[in-house]
Amino acid sequence: NAGVTQTPKFRVLKTGQSMTLLCAQDMNHEYMYWYRQDPGMGLRLIHYSVGEGTTAKGEVPDGYNVSRLKKQNFLLGLESAAPSQTSVYFCASSYIDTQYFGPGTRLTVL
Amino acid sequence: DQQVKQNSPSLSVQEGRISILNCDYTNSMFDYFLWYKKYPAEGPTFLISISSIKDKNEDGRFTVFLNKSAKHLSLHIVPSQPGDSAVYFCAASGDSGGSNYKLTFGKGTLLTVNP
Repeated sequence: NAGVTQTPKFRVLKTGQSMTLLCAQDMNHEYMYWYRQDPGMGLRLIHYSVGEGTTAKGEVPDGYNVSRLKKQNFLLGLESAAPSQTSVYFCASSYIDTQYFGPGTRLTVL
Repeated sequence: DQQVKQNSPSLSVQEGRISILNCDYTNSMFDYFLWYKKYPAEGPTFLISISSIKDKNEDGRFTVFLNKSAKHLSLHIVPSQPGDSAVYFCAASGDSGGSNYKLTFGKGTLLTVNP
């Protein structure tokens, strides 16, 4: 049981480049989430999904897009990366309220 | 407006003593509260939770207390161990139109347990 996995673990982008972060869970959870963690800011919700084929905006959605084509996967896309998107990104999944997190992706945008 | 507040960015305690981490919330719709622990370069891991129908929940060395009237919860770790050194996040749910799947997190408290 791998739980929640994230790919890649590290990435460096130049301003304007695009990329996709992949999250996968093997717990058959309906709900999935993408957060970013910045120093002194805690965990802020970017987008979330309440089931396959559905997505919704969280607290800080601007500059990001998401897709949930399969129940076990939740993709986070950056179409045109900006230095303000330098952060650590965490994916999580849940059955209801207790969320289980992946190990994170450290993204640097130069 | 920050709905979940952890007013102490850091806390330092001696090994074997009690660690008390505090959390305040402003949204009266919150009815479920969780604590997460996070080591550097790892994702947060679930530690303990409490429903608003209770005022205390205990799991080994960890106890969470909830004071609904004061909109305050605390996490007690007894006895504290060096391996408890981590960032602790308080989180709350219950304001998602009757569903508890969305969590609101505090900014975290860095606990350092000194040997």
